[in-house]
Amino acid sequence: NAGVTQTPKFQVLKTGQSMTLQCAQDMNHEYMSWYRQDPGMGLRLIHYSVGAGITDQGEVPNGYNVSRSTTEDFPLRLLSAAPSQTSVYFCASSLYSGTSGPLAKNIQYFGAGTRLSVL
Amino acid sequence: QQQVKQSPQSLIVQKGGISIINCAYENTAFDYFPWYQQFPGKGPALLIAIRPDVSEKKEGRFTISFNKSAKQFSLHIMDSQPGDSATYFCAAKRQGGSEKLVFGKGTKLTVNP
Repeated sequence: NAGVTQTPKFQVLKTGQSMTLQCAQDMNHEYMSWYRQDPGMGLRLIHYSVGAGITDQGEVPNGYNVSRSTTEDFPLRLLSAAPSQTSVYFCASSLYSGTSGPLAKNIQYFGAGTRLSVL
Repeated sequence: QQQVKQSPQSLIVQKGGISIINCAYENTAFDYFPWYQQFPGKGPALLIAIRPDVSEKKEGRFTISFNKSAKQFSLHIMDSQPGDSATYFCAAKRQGGSEKLVFGKGTKLTVNP
């Protein structure tokens, strides 16, 4: 049981390049999300998915695309990288998509992050 | 518009002391309030969480105090240890089927030996 796995751990891009950040979970979680973390800004939600085939925008979606073809995988695509997208990206997953029920169902598990630099 | 306001931004405490981090929220639809702990180079991990039907929850040295009328909640770390040095985030999630967590901006805690 690996939890939430993100690849790559580090990436350097040139402005205008595209790339895909991979995220996979083996806990059969229905909810997955992508956050970016910038100094002094906390964690900001980019996109999220409540199940295979269903995605929606978060707080800062511009410049990013997502898809969810399987329960396990939730890749994040940068279409044309910009220096403003230099950040640490975290993928997270949780079992439940509500707030009722046992607290344990609401736990979001985070991956170790991808540190991205756009030059 | 920042939905969850966290303070202080940084905190330095001596070993054995009490660390207190505060958060305030505006949206009364929030009904789940977790705290996450993040060590350098790692992803955040859930530390402790509470629902607004209780005023306090304790797990070991970590306690959440919740004041529903004031729309505030805080994390208390008793007998703080150097190993507690990390960044702490409060968060909130609203009822109604949305899984979206709204995070505070974080508090960097340093516990000196």
